[in-house]
Amino acid sequence: GAVVSQHPSWVICKSGTSVKIECRSLDFQATTMFWYRQFPKQSLMLMATSNEGSKATYEQGVEKDKFLINHASLTLSTLTVTSAHPEDSSFYICSASEAGLYNEQFFGPGTRLTVL
Amino acid sequence: GIQVEQSPPDLILQEGANSTLRCNFSDSVNNLQWFHQNPWGQLINLFYIPSGTKQNGRLSATTVATERYSLLYISSSQTTDSGVYFCAAQGGFGNEKLTFGTGTRLTIIP
Repeated sequence: GAVVSQHPSWVICKSGTSVKIECRSLDFQATTMFWYRQFPKQSLMLMATSNEGSKATYEQGVEKDKFLINHASLTLSTLTVTSAHPEDSSFYICSASEAGLYNEQFFGPGTRLTVL
Repeated sequence: GIQVEQSPPDLILQEGANSTLRCNFSDSVNNLQWFHQNPWGQLINLFYIPSGTKQNGRLSATTVATERYSLLYISSSQTTDSGVYFCAAQGGFGNEKLTFGTGTRLTIIP
């Protein structure tokens, strides 16, 4: 149980385009979903926390107009990188929690974004 | 926010050896998780262990919340155990986000 999927697993796009990444909890309802970013050989950094039906809470330094998060249902959250630039290239990972903020988080397989 | 430190940063062992990975955290925790990140980047949940001891096969973990540390034990290492092991901690009010340590890179040599 507790499976989280992400789509796509990798994406290459041109500078200036927008990219949408989907995160789905497959076998449970996720009241809270999280988006992380990981640079090569570094740790994960939380970008934002989202609860179904409400606006996401962004971490300090994360541009909410660049990284649009929509948590439209209890099984789906999306991250849209708008007007992507090469510095947005990274590994994006989502996670989901069944019972709120402090419960165990389960992670998706990640999406590798390369912006040319 | 909560600080999370892991040691050692790198560990190279022969197949069959045992290892202990340490995670120190700076404040009381509501959530403490151990993960193994495989070569493709997938984070695999090993333990959810804000306190106490748990075992799962060759792996076990202990969190001593009062002393603010957690240990991950791997016995009889196999080459498939190679990868990066992360500890992540989440505190209470004001420390709500799950904060990751810098990881321990484990390499098991056949």
